[in-house]
Amino acid sequence: AQSVAQPEDQVNVAEGNPLTVKCTYSVSGNPYLFWYVQYPNRGLQFLLKYITGDNLVKGSYGFEAEFNKSQTSFHLKKPSALVSDSALYFCAVRDFGNEKLTFGTGTRLTIIP
Amino acid sequence: GAVVSQHPSRVICKSGTSVKIECRSLDFQATTMFWYRQFPKQSLMLMATSNEGSKATYEQGVEKDKFLINHASLTLSTLTVTSAHPEDSSFYICSARVPLVNTEAFFGQGTRLTVV
Repeated sequence: AQSVAQPEDQVNVAEGNPLTVKCTYSVSGNPYLFWYVQYPNRGLQFLLKYITGDNLVKGSYGFEAEFNKSQTSFHLKKPSALVSDSALYFCAVRDFGNEKLTFGTGTRLTIIP
Repeated sequence: GAVVSQHPSRVICKSGTSVKIECRSLDFQATTMFWYRQFPKQSLMLMATSNEGSKATYEQGVEKDKFLINHASLTLSTLTVTSAHPEDSSFYICSARVPLVNTEAFFGQGTRLTVV
């Protein structure tokens, strides 16, 4: 079985400050980890992924995420937040060989001007 | 990245009628597509896996006779909500990934269904 937890429903950050959106996961094998962003009434946009290799992965719009195997975490980060980063963020996981993605409950990120 | 197009983006229908939602992979062939449902302020719930040329695989608790899925070609999957009721009102999203190329899935724009 595979699962994802996003412990924070809402994260507020002042513009220009660093941001972190937390995600922990559980899989039986090797994880494929993803972050997606959703704007109102839109589908999900792919931000970044971890498959293998370097634990720090960089993605779109200046976002990055760090894979931590011992803590089973894949937190999303950005050094300096923009107001336009305000959106709903989903962490997702699938086990190697499993086509189905499992999503977290989502974290609403609000950047305060 | 690959493009998945979903149509319509919004639809309003009367109770008892059926609504068809299309999901197209524009620049790749998708043997498998996925249909999700998203309730307000909630996560995505996988409804079914659409397989080209064969029957869809439905998740537990999803009524296959209400949510008909057809994947007749490598670039098109359709979801038909039959005999729609107000409780079927929701945001429906499809996804696909490029086989052997991408590990990530790409999502359609979503369809907001309102049943009145």
